[in-house]
Amino acid sequence: DTEVTQTPKHLVMGMTNKKSLKCEQHMGHRAMYWYKQKAKKPPELMFVYSYEKLSINESVPSRFSPECPNSSLLNLHLHALQPEDSALYLCASSPGLGENTGELFFGEGSRLTVL
Amino acid sequence: TQLLEQSPQFLSIQEGENLTVYCNSSSVFSSLQWYRQEPGEGPVLLVTVVTGGEVKKLKRLTFQFGDARKDSSLHITAAQPGDTGLYLCAGEDSGTYKYIFGTGTRLKVLA
Repeated sequence: DTEVTQTPKHLVMGMTNKKSLKCEQHMGHRAMYWYKQKAKKPPELMFVYSYEKLSINESVPSRFSPECPNSSLLNLHLHALQPEDSALYLCASSPGLGENTGELFFGEGSRLTVL
Repeated sequence: TQLLEQSPQFLSIQEGENLTVYCNSSSVFSSLQWYRQEPGEGPVLLVTVVTGGEVKKLKRLTFQFGDARKDSSLHITAAQPGDTGLYLCAGEDSGTYKYIFGTGTRLKVLA
């Protein structure tokens, strides 16, 4: 199984809503990532978890709250978002930080629209 | 922080033409990856280059890693409409372990 599965594929939410994005991988990878991608731009790193611990937070606003319940799951909790947060949110995994050739495996993304 | 600059940013060519995309950095990377991304989907890994001067071929795509491991190129021979997409180089910052992407090259191949 070489897939990274993200749900939901599409999400529309109001600025007062609370929602979550979910990501799952069963490749035994120990590093998991959240990226944000605006239209026609490259992905921007948000968070990195290594061995279920938050290793990197790229100064992301607190309205985005990541969670790694176990080595296979990664969540991104959303609260009080702004319209400019609308984007494609990508989850990825890799065998480990600094342990491999650096290849990331991506999910198909969750398209978020904030009204 | 290591940066990866890609050129050109946009490229629109006719089917059958050849093209080269460049990925440049002032820093050394232990490896570089190339991805292709289609609209609304996640990036898909094409290749990893590890050794300075390395050349890898994937059908009509040829990837090269610079001798100093600071740059890489992607050459497509006889481009086809199915090659259309966003091409991204990427690598792991050896100091911070941040996995960063290049600025991207948007390719459109016209039939």
